[in-house]
Amino acid sequence: DGGITQSPKYLFRKEGQNVTLSCEQNLNHDAMYWYRQDPGQGLRLIYYSQIVNDFQKGDIAEGYSVSREKKESFPLTVTSAQKNPTAFYLCASSIATSGTDKGELFFGEGSRLTVL
Amino acid sequence: AQTVTQSQPEMSVQEAETVTLSCTYDTSESDYYLFWYKQPPSRQMILVIRQEAYKQQNATENRFSVNFQKAAKSFSLKISDSQLGDAAMYFCAYRPNAGGTSYGKLTFGQGTILTVHP
Repeated sequence: DGGITQSPKYLFRKEGQNVTLSCEQNLNHDAMYWYRQDPGQGLRLIYYSQIVNDFQKGDIAEGYSVSREKKESFPLTVTSAQKNPTAFYLCASSIATSGTDKGELFFGEGSRLTVL
Repeated sequence: AQTVTQSQPEMSVQEAETVTLSCTYDTSESDYYLFWYKQPPSRQMILVIRQEAYKQQNATENRFSVNFQKAAKSFSLKISDSQLGDAAMYFCAYRPNAGGTSYGKLTFGQGTILTVHP
């Protein structure tokens, strides 16, 4: 079945460590996104990529980094510079090609990161 | 910058009754999409309904319908014949349909927790 796979589902990190969250899609979508979810704040955009080898900062990019070396993969690294990394992270994708794009994002099941 | 506001942090409804969730948004664009997503306890985001701004007709998907008021920048979700499985967090979201680097970006509201009582 086509979809978006995020791993791991749960991750614990010590302060000062970098951690990488994986996101893989087999929907052949051009665009991919990373959102952070905190209680009472909805979803906030961290980074997004509309095409391979290109990505843009979202609203809360500080302390995060991404890469887009393959169309199907968009890993997110939470660096030690992120001051409050404990959160739920959601990866999403969309067609992002006008004419066929109905606008919606498809989401993975999320990754819960806890800093100890 | 676009903003999306959901003014109801929590709502409750009796099973089989109707409930309306509110959403307002702010934008200077004329062409955009609006969405309602559902996030059940599993935390998987599920698309409930989509509205294209250039369509005057309100979108409907089975028991779910919207009241889209473009001039007022209002986009409410009505759930009819509520079921226990409708209990979830509901997010309103906005997406511009313009080209450029903003294409595809969704802006979400803060969410409304819906409780369904048997």
